[in-house]
Amino acid sequence: GAGVSQSPSNKVTEKGKDVELRCDPISGHTALYWYRQRLGQGLEFLIYFQGNSAPDKSGLPSDRFSAERTGESVSTLTIQRTQQEDSAVYLCASRTSDGNEQFFGPGTRLTVL
Amino acid sequence: AQSVAQPEDQVKVAEGNPLTVKCTYSVSGNPYLFWYVQYPNRGLQFLLKYITGDNLVKGSYGFEAEFNKSQTSFHLKKPSALVSDSALYFCAVRGYNFNKFYFGSGTKLNVKP
Repeated sequence: GAGVSQSPSNKVTEKGKDVELRCDPISGHTALYWYRQRLGQGLEFLIYFQGNSAPDKSGLPSDRFSAERTGESVSTLTIQRTQQEDSAVYLCASRTSDGNEQFFGPGTRLTVL
Repeated sequence: AQSVAQPEDQVKVAEGNPLTVKCTYSVSGNPYLFWYVQYPNRGLQFLLKYITGDNLVKGSYGFEAEFNKSQTSFHLKKPSALVSDSALYFCAVRGYNFNKFYFGSGTKLNVKP
């Protein structure tokens, strides 16, 4: 079946612009995660959605970052007034409510000039 | 606090030799432990997990990992490395009553012909 998809695969933007990244989880997966991976570094947790529960936003680095998810479907991560330090690969992952392993998308590579 | 440590940034082995990629963890309660592999410009792929039961778990592509509770370790192993195993490997932990996953910084495995 289809895996987790993300779009766009690459995004180049100018400093100060807003960007929106999209994640389509695997159908039926109620849990969805966003991570940031800076060049040569590990994964940094950003936000977690579980069904209709309030999301865990504890990893968002600043108020310029926000994410939405409607029900158990698509999620969007929005970065406002982008800065050069926002340049990274943004990874999305989903899992079933009682599952343990996450399934990752291919990521969106964001470059802020 | 939950955390994962991968003490080696890089591991180099010759093809055909055994390989070990180290991981230690800190988590409240019983740990759920995972290994993921990341090939260039790709998302993370699940390799194996430890939830409960036998301390030696087997996963994809001939990899295995040993859970050692007293040493709080979960090292990844393979008896005979292949050049195609060259990639970035991430260890992750989840506390049994937590929804967040904590990832190590990654270990780059380089298998030489």
